[in-house]
Amino acid sequence: GAGVSQSPSNKVTEKGKDVELRCDPISGHTALYWYRQSLGQGLEFLIYFQGNSAPDKSGLPSDRFSAERTGGSVSTLTIQRTQQEDSAVYLCASSSSTGGSILATDTQYFGPGTRLTVL
Amino acid sequence: KQEVTQIPAALSVPEGENLVLNCSFTDSAIYNLQWFRQDPGKGLTSLLLIQSSQREQTSGRLNASLDKSSGRSTLYIAASQPGDSATYLCALSRRYQLTFGKGTKLSVIP
Repeated sequence: GAGVSQSPSNKVTEKGKDVELRCDPISGHTALYWYRQSLGQGLEFLIYFQGNSAPDKSGLPSDRFSAERTGGSVSTLTIQRTQQEDSAVYLCASSSSTGGSILATDTQYFGPGTRLTVL
Repeated sequence: KQEVTQIPAALSVPEGENLVLNCSFTDSAIYNLQWFRQDPGKGLTSLLLIQSSQREQTSGRLNASLDKSSGRSTLYIAASQPGDSATYLCALSRRYQLTFGKGTKLSVIP
């Protein structure tokens, strides 16, 4: 079956513009995650969805960042008034974890990422 | 706060050599540890997942170990091949959130 897909693969924008990044998880996966990989930095967690709900938004770096998920499937990460420090690769992952057990340990499957460059 | 360190940051070896990548972490209260591979311009591919109750996992030429008491994990790659060239990341999970190291960039020279 198809893996996690993300679009666009590359996005170049000007400082101050808004951008939307899209993630299509593996069909049937209830959990969806967004991560960011900045140059010279490790991957950092941004937000986690279980179904359409986001029980953990703790990783979002500022209120310019928001995300939603509809129909328990596609998710959109929106960055408003982009800044140069937002330049990074944004990765999405999905898993079949229901999140109901503290022992939920399902593998997260990652998409290819969106490379965002803010000029 | 969990901190994950990977040493070395880069490694170059001749084809056929066995090698070990290291990962250390500060908080042993983890649920599992995963090793990923990242190729340039591509996403992450999960290689091995070790549950917190396990000590090692094997897949083909790869073997990963976990020692929670010392806060260490190793990824052993046997008989390395040029196709193994990539960045290898370890990640620790506490429930759903993964905390990653910065990775080891491996180059296998033909």
